[in-house]
Amino acid sequence: EPEVTQTPSHQVTQMGQEVILRCVPISNHLYFYWYRQILGQKVEFLVSFYNNEISEKSEIFDDQFSVERPDGSNFTLKIRSTKLEDSAMYFCASSEVWGNQPQHFGDGTRLSIL
Amino acid sequence: GESVGLHLPTLSVQEGDNSIINCAYSNSASDYFIWYKQESGKGPQFIIDIRSNMDKRQGQRVTVLLNKTVKHLSLQIAATQPGDSAVYFCPEGSGSRLTFGEGTQLTVNP
Repeated sequence: EPEVTQTPSHQVTQMGQEVILRCVPISNHLYFYWYRQILGQKVEFLVSFYNNEISEKSEIFDDQFSVERPDGSNFTLKIRSTKLEDSAMYFCASSEVWGNQPQHFGDGTRLSIL
Repeated sequence: GESVGLHLPTLSVQEGDNSIINCAYSNSASDYFIWYKQESGKGPQFIIDIRSNMDKRQGQRVTVLLNKTVKHLSLQIAATQPGDSAVYFCPEGSGSRLTFGEGTQLTVNP
């Protein structure tokens, strides 16, 4: 069964450094998403992306965040200057269409900011 | 903002029993509903979905019931197995985002 894959599984970064989280969505999917889950808290929506543009973003997704689809298979989340509070699990998801179809999630990247 | 609530934060069942996990949703305009399970250290995994023109949908060992009158959703798991132990979510969709609640922790006792 096709799945969303995320790399790395764990990323440790010094505060203030830039980090790029990578995702390979399911191949025929057109809509891509990032969510995060701080330890012990709810899964929170960050951003959705379609046709090389951000469709929707949450208040969490401020100027330090950016997303990109650099080629036909990868979807990345960049955090420009990491803060301690960016430590969380980051989940990528994809869906075939928008709305009324499930978003399929990867197993996440655990980001630890030191 | 909208609330995404679950009736019980934890549910403990014996292996082989049936489990029922409940969910209340707030947006009466919602027309698509979905259940996910999240095992420790993994991402949310799609289980089953249902559209608002249905009131019941069955999958393999799972059934989702939708009561639009009282804005209530339930997930029934037949013959619960240890591998069903996880946190279960019924996020609400709005636009392209899913809004997750705290979920229900299902524990299956051998």
